[in-house]
Amino acid sequence: ELKVEQNPLFLSMQEGKNYTIYCNYSTTSDRLYWYRQDPGKSLESLFVLLSNGAVKQEGRLMASLDTKARLSTLHITAAVHDLSATYFCAVDIGYGNKLVFGAGTILRVKS
Amino acid sequence: DGGITQSPKYLFRKEGQNVTLSCEQNLNHDAMYWYRQDPGQGLRLIYYSQIVNDFQKGDIAEGYSVSREKKESFPLTVTSAQKNPTAFYLCASSIGNRGWETQYFGPGTRLLVL
Repeated sequence: ELKVEQNPLFLSMQEGKNYTIYCNYSTTSDRLYWYRQDPGKSLESLFVLLSNGAVKQEGRLMASLDTKARLSTLHITAAVHDLSATYFCAVDIGYGNKLVFGAGTILRVKS
Repeated sequence: DGGITQSPKYLFRKEGQNVTLSCEQNLNHDAMYWYRQDPGQGLRLIYYSQIVNDFQKGDIAEGYSVSREKKESFPLTVTSAQKNPTAFYLCASSIGNRGWETQYFGPGTRLLVL
């Protein structure tokens, strides 16, 4: 059974600081997704990582995938308050585009 | 505008009652999914469907049922057998079984037990 672990589960950071969220998974996969969820809202797709070494960047967020280490990272650069949300990684386990989600990282950026 | 709609936004269930959550998409996607989200947790897959008239159980299908009679619609019924139905339910869709498409999510339905 695929396990997806995110850490930290809660992150409080100051505006302007950098930090990284980690997503480890327990079985082979080369497809990983990052989503954002605002409180009480649905999920918004951030990044799709489809191969070893894939790196995607959008604004202050950068995601990478190391399939050999079974690890993805979401790096936040110079955080701003608007980035406060819950961030989920999800791993595709194969047929049917089935996703297994991590528990999510709650990010709070303080002014 | 293309997208996924879910209704109702809030739903209240009495003991022993079956309730149905609606999910409609106009994205022309083949695949549709139902997830359950409990407070402070990630999403868990209930059912998914890759094509009309076909669907498969996810990780937590007990107490739920679905149908897929039309491409654009994938309703979820929460039966009386689901003893702990209070949760946020999210419907998603993707293009089809290529193994790499993004899943797009609807706004969700919050189910509460009276």
